[in-house]
Amino acid sequence: SQTIHQWPATLVQPVGSPLSLECTVEGTSNPNLYWYRQAAGRGLQLLFYSVGIGQISSEVPQNLSASRPQDRQFILSSKKLLLSDSGFYLCAWGTGVGRSYTFGSGTRLTVV
Amino acid sequence: GESVGLHLPTLSVQEGDNSIINCAYSNSASDYFIWYKQESGKGPQFIIDIRSNMDKRQGQRVTVLLNKTVKHLSLQIAATQPGDSAVYFCAELSNTGKLIFGQGTTLQVKP
Repeated sequence: SQTIHQWPATLVQPVGSPLSLECTVEGTSNPNLYWYRQAAGRGLQLLFYSVGIGQISSEVPQNLSASRPQDRQFILSSKKLLLSDSGFYLCAWGTGVGRSYTFGSGTRLTVV
Repeated sequence: GESVGLHLPTLSVQEGDNSIINCAYSNSASDYFIWYKQESGKGPQFIIDIRSNMDKRQGQRVTVLLNKTVKHLSLQIAATQPGDSAVYFCAELSNTGKLIFGQGTTLQVKP
């Protein structure tokens, strides 16, 4: 069966520090991978998505970047965090039409 | 750009009644739609999906309706229960692989 792992669950980082959030998927190959951010009480904003290794589509100009060094690994990074980067970050994967797109458990990031 | 929007931010229903949550989508090229349920502090959970070549799909107590003419999607929950209280999101998958979410509707079930 397929599973998605996202860590850490919570993170408190000072302004100006770097960030690295990792997401890995097991039990599938060549998945679409996604990073979303969710502010409290709001919807899910698509940040990046990838349909293959090395293929990254950026949706919103921001202080973040994403990389896909391996087929089932998706990393969200920042060189210098801003207060506005605080939020609930969610990773998701899917494999085309007709297959459910599944989310990780999320990382709650607080930038102080 | 593409967007998925919901008509109502909050829906309050009596336990046992049926709930209808609506969603409008903008990309006529989207070929797959998903409804998610999100409880506080958790990631969204898949509820039901529908392909663009269908107009209705039923699950256990849930039905999704798709009207491509007006680009409208709805989620019907039968005999709503307190455990159904959550935020519900619709999402559309474009032909480029982009999965976009609407703003969400909070469903409150009154006992």
